[in-house]
Amino acid sequence: DSGVTQTPKHLITATGQRVTLRCSPRSGDLSVYWYQQSLDQGLQFLIQYYNGEERAKGNILERFSAQQFPDLHSELNLSSLELGDSALYFCASSPRMGGGHDEQFFGPGTRLTVL
Amino acid sequence: GQNIDQPTEMTATEGAIVQINCTYQTSGFNGLFWYQQHAGEAPTFLSYNVLDGLEEKGRFSSFLSRSKGYSYLLLKELQMKDSASYLCAALNAGNMLTFGGGTRLMVKP
Repeated sequence: DSGVTQTPKHLITATGQRVTLRCSPRSGDLSVYWYQQSLDQGLQFLIQYYNGEERAKGNILERFSAQQFPDLHSELNLSSLELGDSALYFCASSPRMGGGHDEQFFGPGTRLTVL
Repeated sequence: GQNIDQPTEMTATEGAIVQINCTYQTSGFNGLFWYQQHAGEAPTFLSYNVLDGLEEKGRFSSFLSRSKGYSYLLLKELQMKDSASYLCAALNAGNMLTFGGGTRLMVKP
């Protein structure tokens, strides 16, 4: 158990819908990262927040957005869902701003299925 | 841009040694991570290399050559529970991790 929690564990929805994934980082960690893992794409970095502010952006679609709240939990919002958005979404947290000696701890993931 | 290459699958025998290679191209290289991921589970941290050379941690060791853009993960005394995917990831100057597609290791008795 990494100490990172994610809800829900599974989510099944229809195309065109909007969903919100939630992540609580490990106690004391200031950075939260979101990743998407699909069968054909591997693990793809989406976005990082540090202490409430967006810190780095990866291959995140415009239909997706995220935020980090004052209590440091984070939400990833996915809208106008398409079949191709079906994937495992991981949240990770780290103590500091990121970098080599700032190990990321991954949550158990949310499996999103878009029908 | 970023590019990470590692073999898709490997098979090894229980008790043996296996080496998983990774080559990378990234702008502003800031280190190389290895993660282990069992099917359907979260990746877990194995190692981090930023300087050339070998880092040993129990049965697992990781090597880095910055000039060659090359790393490997060495697993000794393989156990059945080592059957998993091993993800190589390069960190760039913007502190962004780029992952390879992962190497699925199957350990056979």
